[in-house]
Amino acid sequence: DIQMTQSPSSLSASVGDRVTITCRASQGINNYLAWFQQKPGKAPKSLIYAASSLQSGVPPKFSGSGSETDFTLTISSLQPEDSATYYCQQYHSYPITFGQGTRLEIK
Amino acid sequence: EVQLVESGGGLVQPGGSLRLSCAASGFTFSDHYMDWVRQAPGKGLEWVGRTRKKANSYTTEYAASVKGRFTISRDDSKNSLYLQMNSLKTEDTAVYYCARVLNEGPFDYWGQGTLVTVSS
Repeated sequence: DIQMTQSPSSLSASVGDRVTITCRASQGINNYLAWFQQKPGKAPKSLIYAASSLQSGVPPKFSGSGSETDFTLTISSLQPEDSATYYCQQYHSYPITFGQGTRLEIK
Repeated sequence: EVQLVESGGGLVQPGGSLRLSCAASGFTFSDHYMDWVRQAPGKGLEWVGRTRKKANSYTTEYAASVKGRFTISRDDSKNSLYLQMNSLKTEDTAVYYCARVLNEGPFDYWGQGTLVTVSS
């Protein structure tokens, strides 16, 4: 199985800041990498697929990059509503696997 | 508007069975692979399995943790996805989400989830 490791596990940032979350795959996955946002008590929301493509309706304050084993999610101009847990996911091979999540707190 | 609505969750004893449903609307259900993902209380996301579409013979994939106990099926005439869960264990307690697969790859839409509690 491909292991997905996110860092940091949690972070705190201020309104207006830009933050970067990292996701590392245990083996190369080309660009078969997605990012999701989940707020407490809610279903996940798809943000990015193919490492850098925005899902329909997702604002461009979210951006993704990377390939093979190292990927990043960057969120710019942070707002209180960006407070959530963010997950990466590889869909290169079965079983599909997720990172453990990164909890983002907005101060 | 794409909508996915799960139902069928509830309390079941260890060793019991439960069948979850996911009703889809707002898109051509038969054109898409569909997945189940679960989330244990306070934990992260865990992929459960996938059903492909008719053109791919409705073949399925499963996580090792559920293979042989869970079965994913679909009824394109009813725009519905199912998850038959047998031999349930306490560790199967989770919110179960259905998700639409985009172009045979990533997810794009998720349902709101249904809670399954396995406890005596």
